[in-house]
Amino acid sequence: NAGVTQTPKFQVLKTGQSMTLQCAQDMNHEYMSWYRQDPGMGLRLIHYSVGAGITDQGEVPNGYNVSRSTTEDFPLRLLSAAPSQTSVYFCASSYSPRDWRLTGELFFGEGSRLTVL
Amino acid sequence: AQTVTQSQPEMSVQEAETVTLSCTYDTSENNYYLFWYKQPPSRQMILVIRQEAYKQQNATENRFSVNFQKAAKSFSLKISDSQLGDTAMYFCAFMNPFLGGSEKLVFGKGTKLTVNP
Repeated sequence: NAGVTQTPKFQVLKTGQSMTLQCAQDMNHEYMSWYRQDPGMGLRLIHYSVGAGITDQGEVPNGYNVSRSTTEDFPLRLLSAAPSQTSVYFCASSYSPRDWRLTGELFFGEGSRLTVL
Repeated sequence: AQTVTQSQPEMSVQEAETVTLSCTYDTSENNYYLFWYKQPPSRQMILVIRQEAYKQQNATENRFSVNFQKAAKSFSLKISDSQLGDTAMYFCAFMNPFLGGSEKLVFGKGTKLTVNP
């Protein structure tokens, strides 16, 4: 089983460039989310989705866009990268929103390390 | 807002010994979930153990157990018979599952555990 797959694993951008971090899961999970992890800090929620066509903001959404056109995919877009967005990004998914609320368990990808110069 | 505090940035333990990682949290809720996640050097985060606040019995998963003190808002993780493969960053996390769709995991800053041979 592939689980949650993130691409690319590493990326270097210049300030102002745009890019998309890809996330795909093959577990038919309805709930998907993006977190960022910074040194000395825990993970912080950027955006999440409870199903295809439905997205919402987390605690640090500024500078990021998401869309959810299919159940499998949840890309994270940086429209104009800034050095403050240098971080490790994690995509995580769970079963239905109801199951997510019942169990709280997330399945994580391996992460994408982004550096913005 | 809920907060999660891990007061030990780094810890080390000898192989086969027992180690306890600390976690405290702040919430006004009565029902919630608590988690310990493990992030090995390969970076993929996995769930170690989960505790529902309404359960008085401490959760146990093989060599991993928790000491949940609800009144003290404390949730420590005990690893018995430590193994080299336990070397990882450990994150404590909190979730309120009753937010009607805007649930999220709130993470602590993590404790880096090194198991020495």
